[in-house]
Amino acid sequence: KAGVTQTPRYLIKTRGQQVTLSCSPISGHRSVSWYQQTPGQGLQFLFEYFSETQRNKGNFPGRFSGRQFSNSRSEMNVSTLELGDSALYLCASSLEWQPNTEAFFGQGTRLTVV
Amino acid sequence: GEDVEQSLFLSVREGDSSVINCTYTDSSSTYLYWYKQEPGAGLQLLTYIFSNMDMKQDQRLTVLLNKKDKHLSLRIADTQTGDSAIYFCAESTVSYSGAGSYQLTFGKGTKLSVIP
Repeated sequence: KAGVTQTPRYLIKTRGQQVTLSCSPISGHRSVSWYQQTPGQGLQFLFEYFSETQRNKGNFPGRFSGRQFSNSRSEMNVSTLELGDSALYLCASSLEWQPNTEAFFGQGTRLTVV
Repeated sequence: GEDVEQSLFLSVREGDSSVINCTYTDSSSTYLYWYKQEPGAGLQLLTYIFSNMDMKQDQRLTVLLNKKDKHLSLRIADTQTGDSAIYFCAESTVSYSGAGSYQLTFGKGTKLSVIP
């Protein structure tokens, strides 16, 4: 079966712009989580969606937002981009977001802000 | 707050065993995980262990958990060049915003280099 698909794979944006990243989970999975990976901070949790509802949010400013559609696809948006937003953004999907449920990660979207 | 720590680098010779160590702080963690990340790829779940277990073995992988010291280790037997990657330790933590949600808190990753 198809894995988690993230688009685009690479993105270059200018400071002040906004960006939208997309994640298509594995068919049947209803939970989607987003993580930011940077060399300095490592992997940090952004948010988690389940059945179109945001259930959990990490410690990120309000410029970071997301949503989930009825088909479980999810998007995350970053407005007013800053240089520090340059990172690999990873999406994970699972049937249910419970601690013993395997989360499958996509290959990520590498965002570069210049 | 939650914190997961692991050493940044490990170098071993092909055929030897690799041991990657991790310490965590959240005593309420129910599951602890090991993920592998190869260059240009996402994260691959290798194995996980429930917090009331001491050990879990899965083919070449052995996970040891010392809950008293909050110490987790991953042993890879007969390490191969294909095992070269970054290994992340992670713990599941409960969302304090409720709604029955968990999140993964990751360490910074240990880069394993296997020398042929």
